[in-house]
Amino acid sequence: AQTVTQSQPEMSVQEAETVTLSCTYDTSESDYYLFWYKQPPSRQMILVIRQEAYKQQNATENRFSVNFQKAAKSFSLKISDSQLGDAAMYFCAYRSAPRDRGGSNYKLTFGKGTLLTVNP
Amino acid sequence: DTEVTQTPKHLVMGMTNKKSLKCEQHMGHRAMYWYKQKAKKPPELMFVYSYEKLSINESVPSRFSPECPNSSLLNLHLHALQPEDSALYLCASSQTTGPVLNIQYFGAGTRLSVL
Repeated sequence: AQTVTQSQPEMSVQEAETVTLSCTYDTSESDYYLFWYKQPPSRQMILVIRQEAYKQQNATENRFSVNFQKAAKSFSLKISDSQLGDAAMYFCAYRSAPRDRGGSNYKLTFGKGTLLTVNP
Repeated sequence: DTEVTQTPKHLVMGMTNKKSLKCEQHMGHRAMYWYKQKAKKPPELMFVYSYEKLSINESVPSRFSPECPNSSLLNLHLHALQPEDSALYLCASSQTTGPVLNIQYFGAGTRLSVL
């Protein structure tokens, strides 16, 4: 079974600074998807960024970028120019890709989350 | 539009009550999900519907009864709940559960309190 580990229960950053959230995962599969979801106090889980494992290029979405190290099974999220609205719980998630037989490709496996505080 | 709408936002119920949670999406998605989330924990999958048929039940107690009346609507019927069932219930949808990226889009959840 796959596992996702977020080793930082809480992080804080000053407004306009850069912060990196860590995520590692354990899998025997070669093809999969990785996601970062954000859950602000409004409760809705919002997709921040995604990465297909077969792509070597790191995904970027505006101020959000990832450092995907497939061999090391690491998928960290970098938030640049942090804003007050970035304050939220951040979940790293793994999903199997269907080319791998067995398992369930519908299921998201979440890490325990990192609570990010942005200080003005 | 990537909106998943859940109603009600908050619900308080007694242990003998019957209530229902509602989830709606108009993105043409054919897979819908129910998750349970306790405070400061990740969501836990409860049920998966694929093309309006229940495909996965993650060993959820029978006091939770899902229903998918059509491709846009997902209900969760609640009966004889326990206080430990108090949680945030999230609904999500994706195009399918099949061989594409299939991003799951989440609603804002229903905060349930069982007294």
